[in-house]
Amino acid sequence: NAGVMQNPRHLVRRRGQEARLRCSPMKGHSHVYWYRQLPEEGLKFMVYLQKENIIDESGMPKERFSAEFPKEGPSILRIQQVVRGDSAAYFCASSPMGRETQYFGPGTRLLVL
Amino acid sequence: QKEVEQNSGPLSVPEGAIASLNCTYSDRVSQSFFWYRQYSGKSPELIMSIYSNGDKEDGRFTAQLNKASQYVSLLIRDSQPSDSATYLCAVNIGGAGNKLTFGGGTRVLVKP
Repeated sequence: NAGVMQNPRHLVRRRGQEARLRCSPMKGHSHVYWYRQLPEEGLKFMVYLQKENIIDESGMPKERFSAEFPKEGPSILRIQQVVRGDSAAYFCASSPMGRETQYFGPGTRLLVL
Repeated sequence: QKEVEQNSGPLSVPEGAIASLNCTYSDRVSQSFFWYRQYSGKSPELIMSIYSNGDKEDGRFTAQLNKASQYVSLLIRDSQPSDSATYLCAVNIGGAGNKLTFGGGTRVLVKP
């Protein structure tokens, strides 16, 4: 049973470009979460999604960030017009319906030059 | 006051000893508590979940929850050098939805 998959594992962008991070949940999991870990800081919740629905986006910055989890395909975290402060590790986690335990993917390390 | 607080460490323990990690949280409504281990440069790995007051044991790990005092702890028995990592406490603050709030983590160093 494959775990949570994220790609790319490393992403380099120049200021002003767009970053797209993808997450495929564990098989049988219908809930996806995105977290951000800034250098030397803790994990911060960003958004919680189910298929075709955003359940909680209270941790998402108001501008430039968006997330989706379409009916088919992976969840996407999109960052428009990246700035250096967006450089961080972005982790996706998933859980099965009705369960709170979250399992994390390997993360995408974003570096903005 | 942070919602979930941990001592940042490092907590240095000799090999074979017990490592004791503590975590306090601010919201009495919280119902779900998790411990994750994170090696440097890696993703968080679930160690244990605990939902009821008391102790829960899994191998060399024991989680303890005291909702009245709003703390949750993790004991690592017979500590091994491979246990050297940062341990993250996560809480479902407010009991609403599945959003986890993480503490800053406690760095543990197990010395041979």
